[in-house]
Amino acid sequence: NAGVMQNPRHLVRRRGQEARLRCSPMKGHSHVYWYRQLPEEGLKFMVYLQKENIIDESGMPKERFSAEFPKEGPSILRIQQVVRGDSAAYFCASSPRSSNSPLHFGNGTRLTVT
Amino acid sequence: KQEVTQIPAALSVPEGENLVLNCSFTDSAIYNLQWFRQDPGKGLTSLLLIQSSQREQTSGRLNASLDKSSGRSTLYIAASQPGDSATYLCAVNNNAGNMLTFGGGTRLMVKP
Repeated sequence: NAGVMQNPRHLVRRRGQEARLRCSPMKGHSHVYWYRQLPEEGLKFMVYLQKENIIDESGMPKERFSAEFPKEGPSILRIQQVVRGDSAAYFCASSPRSSNSPLHFGNGTRLTVT
Repeated sequence: KQEVTQIPAALSVPEGENLVLNCSFTDSAIYNLQWFRQDPGKGLTSLLLIQSSQREQTSGRLNASLDKSSGRSTLYIAASQPGDSATYLCAVNNNAGNMLTFGGGTRLMVKP
């Protein structure tokens, strides 16, 4: 029973490039969450998605960031025109339902912007 | 706005000690509270989830308590082992969804 799979594990981008982070939830999980962990800071919620729907994106920066969870395939977090401040660990988590069930996290994608 | 604080930020103990990690939160209207473990370079592993109606949860050597009215939770680790060395994170769920608010974590080192 594979857990939450994120790829790539490490991603290096130059300023101005695009970063695409992928997340496949655990089998049977239809709720996906993205969190960001900046250096020396705690984990912060970014966005909550169900299949083909964004439920809550209150934690996501208004510009350059977007997320999707299509009917088929993984969830994608996309960062356009990356800047150095985007360097962080991005974690995806999934759950079988929206509340009162434990979140299962992936191992994260560590983005470095040079 | 919910704020979660964990004390201490770091803790070093000899193997075999029982220890308590503390978590406090400002908004007591919570759905549940979760404790996670994070190893360096890895994701988070869910340890215990306490529903708002519960007072405690136990799993093996771990026991988590919740006092919602005072905005506090503790994670008790019995007979600590070097393999318990990790960062322990407390996270509070205020919403119908799993949009968690995390504390800053406690970095635990258990020395052999």
